[in-house]
Amino acid sequence: DTAVSQTPKYLVTQMGNDKSIKCEQNLGHDTMYWYKQDSKKFLKIMFSYNNKELIINETVPNRFSPKSPDKAHLNLHINSLELGDSAVYFCASRLGGLTEAFFGQGTRLTVV
Amino acid sequence: GEDVEQSLFLSVREGDSSVINCTYTDSSSTYLYWYKQEPGAGLQLLTYIFSNMDMKQDQRLTVLLNKKDKHLSLRIADTQTGDSAIYFCAEMGGSGGYNKLIFGAGTRLAVHP
Repeated sequence: DTAVSQTPKYLVTQMGNDKSIKCEQNLGHDTMYWYKQDSKKFLKIMFSYNNKELIINETVPNRFSPKSPDKAHLNLHINSLELGDSAVYFCASRLGGLTEAFFGQGTRLTVV
Repeated sequence: GEDVEQSLFLSVREGDSSVINCTYTDSSSTYLYWYKQEPGAGLQLLTYIFSNMDMKQDQRLTVLLNKKDKHLSLRIADTQTGDSAIYFCAEMGGSGGYNKLIFGAGTRLAVHP
């Protein structure tokens, strides 16, 4: 039983395309995150949703649009993909007030 | 501002102890974390420490926190080849529902025979 699952695990696409990455958690958490890990392994937060409401948006280009249809899901849609978007994208979830954040296995996006 | 710094590389011999160091800037951080990332894998929470603690031990792992100097360390006793990975220090910045994990750049631990 995977706690935080992301699909797809790998995504290779051409510049200019639009793509989505999906994330689901079955932990009953109320807060979900998207993180980006670049080629140097730097991890940086992109978005956070709490109870389906966007609460953190860290200067991410508006080509990136998160969507949270319910508390268990946080999807990431990316328009007009650019080479610099190539990275590993991690979804995470947490129950507000508790300590641990659980991470998905990551989606490796390669833009060619 | 919020910043977490750690050394990028550490090489140890199998059986020795590894010590990975980290400094952070947000003195209001309530929790500090160590995550492990193996090649091609996601992030695994190893351990965390509450800011009012000085030390936490969990089997081969010992976390030391010097809140005055904003310094955190992770000691791995009897390091094994399976411990080879990237270790990320992180602090929980922000407040309330706006909490977010702020990561260091990661320390690449290489364990050799």
